Amino acid sequence: GNSVTQMEGPVTLSEEAFLTINCTYTATGYPSLFWYVQYPGEGLQLLLKATKADDKGSNKGFEATYRKETTSFHLEKGSVQVSDSAVYFCALVERGSTLGRLYFGRGTQLTVWP
Amino acid sequence: DTAVSQTPKYLVTQMGNDKSIKCEQNLGHDTMYWYKQDSKKFLKIMFSYNNKELIINETVPNRFSPKSPDKAHLNLHINSLELGDSAVYFCASSQVRAGGQNNEQFFGPGTRLTVL
Repeated sequence: GNSVTQMEGPVTLSEEAFLTINCTYTATGYPSLFWYVQYPGEGLQLLLKATKADDKGSNKGFEATYRKETTSFHLEKGSVQVSDSAVYFCALVERGSTLGRLYFGRGTQLTVWP
Repeated sequence: DTAVSQTPKYLVTQMGNDKSIKCEQNLGHDTMYWYKQDSKKFLKIMFSYNNKELIINETVPNRFSPKSPDKAHLNLHINSLELGDSAVYFCASSQVRAGGQNNEQFFGPGTRLTVL
């Protein structure tokens, strides 16, 4: 089946620290991978995506590389800001899916202190 | 020009009542979804409609009934509300493409339901 496992939170960092949030997946097919972000009191927004192996998604200083050999899609940022405090969700959709169903990880709460 | 909108944003009600949450998308997408997010932020898909047809129906009590009057709307009606229904409910939409490569979902702002 399809599933996503991401590191448990909460993660607490000081401003300008380096961030890694681990995400691994299992999929019956060849998935596309996503990171979504949920700011306090808001809905989810797409942060970045990658559709094939070795693709790197990037946005707002965040990056994640699709690693097929390790079935991973870890999220990284070199220098976090207070405004990055949010819940981050890793997700996959199976290519060829006629349902477009996203499989989400459990979310990782990030808090950045000044 | 909100892409996916939900009403109401907050809903406080008594146990046993019936309530509805409305969702509309102006993106021209053909597929819409309802998710429930619990207090630990876990997201659980409940339903999905494609062109007004139910395509995903997870294990959800039959007190929950989705209704899609047209492609742009997917409403959620809940009968006989229980304490455990308290959560944030998110509507989402996407355009499901053959190959499923870029099925980004766009989410509404959420409806926080509190059952007393």
